[in-house]
Amino acid sequence: KQEVTQIPAALSVPEGENLVLNCSFTDSAIYNLQWFRQDPGKGLTSLLLIQSSQREQTSGRLNASLDKSSGRSTLYIAASQPGDSATYLCAVVGAGSYQLTFGKGTKLSVIP
Amino acid sequence: SAVISQKPSRDICQRGTSLTIQCQVDSQVTMMFWYRQQPGQSLTLIATANQGSEATYESGFVIDKFPISRPNLTFSTLTVSNLSPEDSSIYLCSLLIGGEQFFGPGTRLTVL
Repeated sequence: KQEVTQIPAALSVPEGENLVLNCSFTDSAIYNLQWFRQDPGKGLTSLLLIQSSQREQTSGRLNASLDKSSGRSTLYIAASQPGDSATYLCAVVGAGSYQLTFGKGTKLSVIP
Repeated sequence: SAVISQKPSRDICQRGTSLTIQCQVDSQVTMMFWYRQQPGQSLTLIATANQGSEATYESGFVIDKFPISRPNLTFSTLTVSNLSPEDSSIYLCSLLIGGEQFFGPGTRLTVL
């Protein structure tokens, strides 16, 4: 059974810092990996999708990497802003499946 | 992507009653999903709803408790029946487009 772990559970940084969020998964046979953002009491916003054949994806200040063989992904946020404060969720889809398995998320606070 | 709306956005219900949540999409999609997010937890898949077929439920979720309708390619409903305080959660619909999942804004349910 796939398990997804996100470290740290919470992170507080001053505005302007670069930061890295970590995600690990136990079964490397994945179809893709998605990073989401969730604001308090809200739904999920898709940030980046990485196919299993890809190594990284970039969108603006966000860069996500994937090392499928080691079961790891990182989300890099450059020049953090208070508006980046949210919970960031990592989720994987197993090969031959469509079901997302989520980690518990990293709650990010960017202090002005 | 797609525009996904959910109704209601939130509700407070009495124990023993039922709540029906609607999910509307602005384009036709084959696969729609319903997730539950319990307080402080990550998302758990309840069921997959494909138009023209019975919903497929994940382990721990049953049709009598969570009946789902999918009358067409742009709409689905999830009913949470015989409510108990343990059903207090955020319920989210999602859909799959090009291998990427997109989520609605969620329905926050509180059961008294």
